[in-house]
Amino acid sequence: NAGVTQTPKFQVLKTGQSMTLQCAQDMNHNSMYWYRQDPGMGLRLIYYSASEGTTDKGEVPNGYNVSRLNKREFSLRLESAAPSQTSVYFCASSGGGRGTDTQYFGPGTRLTVL
Amino acid sequence: GNSVTQMEGPVTLSEEAFLTINCTYTATGYPSLFWYVQYPGEGLQLLLKATKADDKGSNKGFEATYRKETTSFHLEKGSVQVSDSAVYFCAKTSYDKVIFGPGTSLSVIP
Repeated sequence: NAGVTQTPKFQVLKTGQSMTLQCAQDMNHNSMYWYRQDPGMGLRLIYYSASEGTTDKGEVPNGYNVSRLNKREFSLRLESAAPSQTSVYFCASSGGGRGTDTQYFGPGTRLTVL
Repeated sequence: GNSVTQMEGPVTLSEEAFLTINCTYTATGYPSLFWYVQYPGEGLQLLLKATKADDKGSNKGFEATYRKETTSFHLEKGSVQVSDSAVYFCAKTSYDKVIFGPGTSLSVIP
């Protein structure tokens, strides 16, 4: 099992460019999450999907959109990147959808916006 | 508010020293509590968890006990190794999400 995979691993964008971060899990999990990690801030939830076909905003959703393409895949889109979106982005999944289950994380995407 | 607080560090210890990383949380309902670990350049992975009061989670020599009366979940290890150098995150469930603390960086020197 690959677990949670993310692409790309690294990306550099110019202000105003758009991109999509891809995430896939092969554990048949119901819930998927997108976080960003910034120094001194811990992990902040951007969006999550409790089950296929549903998405909800987290703590810091502004400037992002998500798509739960199917049970396996959950993508994060930056429509017009800003330097404040420079961060490390992690995708995670869990089985139960009620937050009680362990979350499994991908290796992260390191994004720099110039 | 709904939060998790932990000592931010960085913490530097010599090999075989005793480790404690404090974690407290706001008590909303009956959350499950977790410690995650992040090694350099990697994503987070679960270290241990406890789902109800007085439960003790343990793994790889690390332990933490769910203390409802003090709303705490302190991480301890009796003898740290260089390979334990990482960032440690305390976390709690909140409805259908997980709230993470800011992380504590640990460096263990030989």
